[in-house]
Amino acid sequence: QSVLTQPASVSGSPGQSITISCTGTSSDVGNYNLVSWYQHHPGKAPKLIIYQGSMRPSGVSNRFSGSKSGNTASLTLSGLQAEDEADYYCCSYAGSGTLVFGGGTKLTVL
Amino acid sequence: QVQLVESGGGVVQPGGSLRLSCAASGFTFSRHGMHWVRQAPGKGLEWLAFIRYDGSTEYYADSVKGRFIISRDNSKNTQYLQMTSLRTEDAAVYYCAKDPRPLSSTTSGWFDYWGQGTLVTVSS
Repeated sequence: QSVLTQPASVSGSPGQSITISCTGTSSDVGNYNLVSWYQHHPGKAPKLIIYQGSMRPSGVSNRFSGSKSGNTASLTLSGLQAEDEADYYCCSYAGSGTLVFGGGTKLTVL
Repeated sequence: QVQLVESGGGVVQPGGSLRLSCAASGFTFSRHGMHWVRQAPGKGLEWLAFIRYDGSTEYYADSVKGRFIISRDNSKNTQYLQMTSLRTEDAAVYYCAKDPRPLSSTTSGWFDYWGQGTLVTVSS
């Protein structure tokens, strides 16, 4: 069960857009439409922001969007705000009932 | 509202055992699969285990297979993680997470609610 690859950090200024990539393999990201994304403020419970690649749960800002191409999924956050500063994790179903996370990306709002 | 409250964390020696609990409320616990996820200090999230809504099926990450056991008591709205043969690398914050689809034969593939976590320290 390999870890999905995410950039360690991304940054952007308020109002800008950023994209976080999540690269897996044909055994996980590329094989299932089951990539999810989580926002994690340290010390708090992680929060689901995208599921099934591009679906947004009720109550999550439409500034968050998700997509996938081949073995790589992406999270785009538009109109950056200070409160978006957090760690972001992707997760994919990997078959046989197992799940695998990315290493996480620290978003800094400049 | 959905609440997941983990407990049972603490300090344990290498080779020791510990049982974590996750008390659930705000939803029909017996209809949903549940997961355990952990985060070691300075590291990312790691999925550990899933248990079906009725407790009949379990899945584990290779890193804990044979050492950790996930279980649940639907009469108490609680799931558990029995951890044995603990190693220093098992030190982490352990999170309980809910699977979104009710009465699903396997995991939905994501988590819609998480607890705040409980800290496990493995040290001599």
